[in-house]
Amino acid sequence: AQRVTQPEKLLSVFKGAPVELKCNYSYSGSPELFWYVQYSRQRLQLLLRHISRESIKGFTADLNKGETSFHLKKPFAQEEDSAMYYCALSGYGSSNTGKLIFGQGTTLQVKP
Amino acid sequence: DAGVIQSPRHEVTEMGQEVTLRCKPISGHNSLFWYRQTMMRGLELLIYFNNNVPIDDSGMPEDRFSAKMPNASFSTLKIQPSEPRDSAVYFCASTRQGHEQYFGPGTRLTVT
Repeated sequence: AQRVTQPEKLLSVFKGAPVELKCNYSYSGSPELFWYVQYSRQRLQLLLRHISRESIKGFTADLNKGETSFHLKKPFAQEEDSAMYYCALSGYGSSNTGKLIFGQGTTLQVKP
Repeated sequence: DAGVIQSPRHEVTEMGQEVTLRCKPISGHNSLFWYRQTMMRGLELLIYFNNNVPIDDSGMPEDRFSAKMPNASFSTLKIQPSEPRDSAVYFCASTRQGHEQYFGPGTRLTVT
């Protein structure tokens, strides 16, 4: 079964603390993994995708095929990082239909 | 480009009434997705279209929900009759295959 699991509904940290938002997946084939972010009452927007291997707003995520994980990390959280974060997957290459499977989302709360 | 456009942004209606949500995708995008977001269930894919053709409607909760895409620049999601449990934020997203999904601002539906 194709599934994305985000085990934490809420993650609360203090400003300057490290952040790790967990994401595990199950997929029969080669997936492409994404992180989307939704700031308060705004539309979802792409934060990063694993094939880009970029760091966006200080966030990074590494695809670990052995552990089937794609955790999102940032060494020093900022208050403006407070948002809802969704992990998502799609097929890769010829298996990519455009359809995304989303996790349940994790609300990150960064306290001053 | 104005991005994905959704209307109305807010809809309040009484149980039993028909509700129609509208979406204009980004020009040149050939895939369109309808999602529902609730606190309890997170982000759920309802239906998606490729080149105006419905591909997967397995996420449509029941026969009260229907979606159409009469042309490449317009789609509707209709609920008839509406029920209080349909209250949610409904997002439309569009993409060119293999690229990121761009989300609209959402329609916040309240059924009383």
